[in-house]
Amino acid sequence: DTGVSQNPRHKITKRGQNVTFRCDPISEHNRLYWYRQTLGQGPEFLTYFQNEAQLEKSRLLSDRFSAERPKGSFSTLEIQRTEQGDSAMYLCASSYTGDSPLHFGNGTRLTVT
Amino acid sequence: QKEVEQNSGPLSVPEGAIASLNCTYSDRGSQSFFWYRQYSGKSPELIMFIYSNGDKEDGRFTAQLNKASQYVSLLIRDSQPSDSATYLCAVTDNYGQNFVFGPGTRLSVLP
Repeated sequence: DTGVSQNPRHKITKRGQNVTFRCDPISEHNRLYWYRQTLGQGPEFLTYFQNEAQLEKSRLLSDRFSAERPKGSFSTLEIQRTEQGDSAMYLCASSYTGDSPLHFGNGTRLTVT
Repeated sequence: QKEVEQNSGPLSVPEGAIASLNCTYSDRGSQSFFWYRQYSGKSPELIMFIYSNGDKEDGRFTAQLNKASQYVSLLIRDSQPSDSATYLCAVTDNYGQNFVFGPGTRLSVLP
């Protein structure tokens, strides 16, 4: 068990481009969460999955954001038509059950120029 | 809107002292409470979790929960410079499905 893995670690893109991030959770964990964090702020909830089902999506998440978790294993987060305001650290976390602690990956730092 | 509040700090304590970090939450139905430590540029790492009222101790760390006051705290005894980090409080909703994080408190332990 190597923990939660996120790729890439860093992504620099130009405004208007699409980007996709990948998260591989701890293998026995059913729940997978995506958060966004900007400097000086706590992680902000984006969405979470129970196995392959996306159970909740933040109202803050515009329709440019989409996440999938096919077959209940890895997950991808796609941002279409990126904006400078999307620049942040995108964190993935997994847990065994709903109230078990979250285990975070190393994050993907996105910079939109 | 479910909210978790923390003093942003920085909280400065001398090496060897007790650091006390506080967190309040708005959702009275919250069930589970977590403290994470985050070093600059790194992802959060779990320190402790607590589910029931009272104290829970793990080494130099003690978590305290008072559901009636909607208050959870973290005490760090014998603070070390390596404890200097941002401490995040996280709370689940009453279904245990979503984790809401506070803004974090920056702790600085001075040698």
